[in-house]
Parts: sequence; C-alpha cells; structure tokens
Amino acid sequence: DTEVTQTPKHLVMGMTNKKSLKCEQHMGHRAMYWYKQKAKKPPELMFVYSYEKLSINESVPSRFSPECPNSSLLNLHLHALQPEDSALYLCASSGGRAVYGYTFGSGTRLTVV
Amino acid sequence: AQSVTQLDSHVSVSEGTPVLLRCNYSSSYSPSLFWYVQHPNKGLQLLLKYTSAATLVKGINGFEAEFKKSETSFHLTKPSAHMSDAAEYFCVVPNQAGTALIFGKGTTLSVSS
Repeated sequence: DTEVTQTPKHLVMGMTNKKSLKCEQHMGHRAMYWYKQKAKKPPELMFVYSYEKLSINESVPSRFSPECPNSSLLNLHLHALQPEDSALYLCASSGGRAVYGYTFGSGTRLTVV
Repeated sequence: AQSVTQLDSHVSVSEGTPVLLRCNYSSSYSPSLFWYVQHPNKGLQLLLKYTSAATLVKGINGFEAEFKKSETSFHLTKPSAHMSDAAEYFCVVPNQAGTALIFGKGTTLSVSS
C-alpha cells in the first residue's frame, strides 16, 4: 500500500461547527504533515509530526488542532473556522527526513460558510 | 537558507512540442530537489527527485530534469507534450534542517491541440 488516504474529500462547514479531517497511511512512515493550499498558490506547511510527536507548528491559529493517535493516523480538528480558512488541506507522509520526499494524499476541499 | 525560484508562472505549448519548465535553487550545498505535479482539484504527485546520484534524473510520464550545479538550476523537460500534461508543476527543496519541504510558486502548464 503506497497511498495516503484522506477523508472526507469535500467538507462544507459553518463557522460554529466542529469537524475533523482524517489522514491514514500504511507505508510505515514515521513522519506526517499537514499542508494548507489556497487556490493558485503553493502548499504551505502547517504541522509536522515525527514519531507521533508534534515537532513543527508553523504558527497556526488554535482553531486548527492536530492529533496523531498512532503512527498510521493523523487528524486535524477544526473549530470556529473563518471563511478565509477555505482551502485544500493536504496530508503527506515520509519515511524519514524530507530529503527523501513525501507521499501526498489527494486532499480535503474545505469550504467555510 | 534553502529556496527555489520557478522562473515562469505560466507556460503554454502545443501538443507534441517540447516542454521546458525552469527552476533555480539557492543553497549553501548541493540539495535534494524534487518536481511535483498537481492536476486540477487533485493532490500532489512526485514526478522525479534528485538526491546527488546521477545529475540527469528520469521521472514518470516521460519527464526528466538535469541538475546543473554551475547554473544552480534543475529544469524540467519533456520531449513531446501531451494534453494530459496540463497541470500545475512545483519545484521543491527540503529546508536546511531537512524537516519539511519548501515549494516554489508553481508553473501552470497549458497544452493546446
């Protein structure tokens, strides 16, 4: 299995809702990442988990809360989002350091209304 | 600090003609370098990577890139464009700590029949 699976593919949520994005990989990768991508822009790093511990938080607002329950699973909990948070959220994993590249999921298209 | 500059925001070619997408890098040492492709409303797919082995790197779908240290370049080429090549292409480099990937601004490739 050489895939990163993200669910749901599309999500529409109100500004008062709580929702979660899910990411799963079964490649034995020990590093997992969340990226945010706005339209016509490159992906921007949000969080890095290494061996299930949060190692990088790129000054992301607290309305985004990551969680890594085990080495195969990564969640992003969303609460009280703003319309400007609407974007494609990409999950990725890697077997080690970033120099080896990442495997990306197909993303969750989030719309905040 | 590591960085990449994609020299063209948009490249248009006709089907069957060569493709050239340009990328220059900035690094204090020979870095790993990647090209990723993103089709509309999709995730990112690794096209090819350079990790200091051969300077000419062959990737998927007929793409290749040549690492030129003297020119600090890593341009992506394909001899003959296909309609299915129309997509966004990102040149990518790991950060200096090797903990995350840094994306160029992207080049949109359009292919006309």
